[in-house]
Amino acid sequence: GNSVTQMEGPVTLSEEAFLTINCTYTATGYPSLFWYVQYPGEGLQLLLKATKADDKGSNKGFEATYRKETTSFHLEKGSVQVSDSAVYFCALIPFGTGNQFYFGTGTSLTVIP
Amino acid sequence: EAGVAQSPRYKIIEKRQSVAFWCNPISGHATLYWYQQILGQGPKLLIQFQNNGVVDDSQLPKDRFSAERLKGVDSTLKIQPAKLEDSAVYLCASSLGSGRNSYEQYFGPGTRLTVT
Repeated sequence: GNSVTQMEGPVTLSEEAFLTINCTYTATGYPSLFWYVQYPGEGLQLLLKATKADDKGSNKGFEATYRKETTSFHLEKGSVQVSDSAVYFCALIPFGTGNQFYFGTGTSLTVIP
Repeated sequence: EAGVAQSPRYKIIEKRQSVAFWCNPISGHATLYWYQQILGQGPKLLIQFQNNGVVDDSQLPKDRFSAERLKGVDSTLKIQPAKLEDSAVYLCASSLGSGRNSYEQYFGPGTRLTVT
């Protein structure tokens, strides 16, 4: 079946620290991969995406590379800010199945000054 | 461009009561989704509409949940009767529609339902 596994949180970092949130997936074929972010009290927002192997998605200093050999899509940021505190969701859409998302359970990030 | 609108933002009801949520997608978006997000979990798709037709409702508990999208624009999701385990945030999302490059879904702020 199709599924996404994220590292468990919560994650607490100091400002300017390096961030990695691990995400691995199970899917048939070549899924599209996404990271969504949910700020407190708000809906989910697309952070970045990658639609084929070796693609790198990037936005707002965050980046993630689609690694088919390790079935991973880890989220990274070189220097986090307090404003990055949010819940991050890894998600996939299996190829050829329309637009149904499979979400991970989310990883809560808190950045302290 | 206006985002996905949802109302109400919060709702508290007693078990066995009924409740309805409303969603207005982004103008021009053909596809509309309802998700259930239980605390500590990722969103789970309940139902997907393409215009006013249902594409996928395989995870909708049809004995108590119903949804409609009349005229292919606004949508309502209803729960009748509610159970304690229905306490969750109900998210509405929309996307342009079909095609591998039309995947980006835009989410509304959600409705937080508490069943007591």
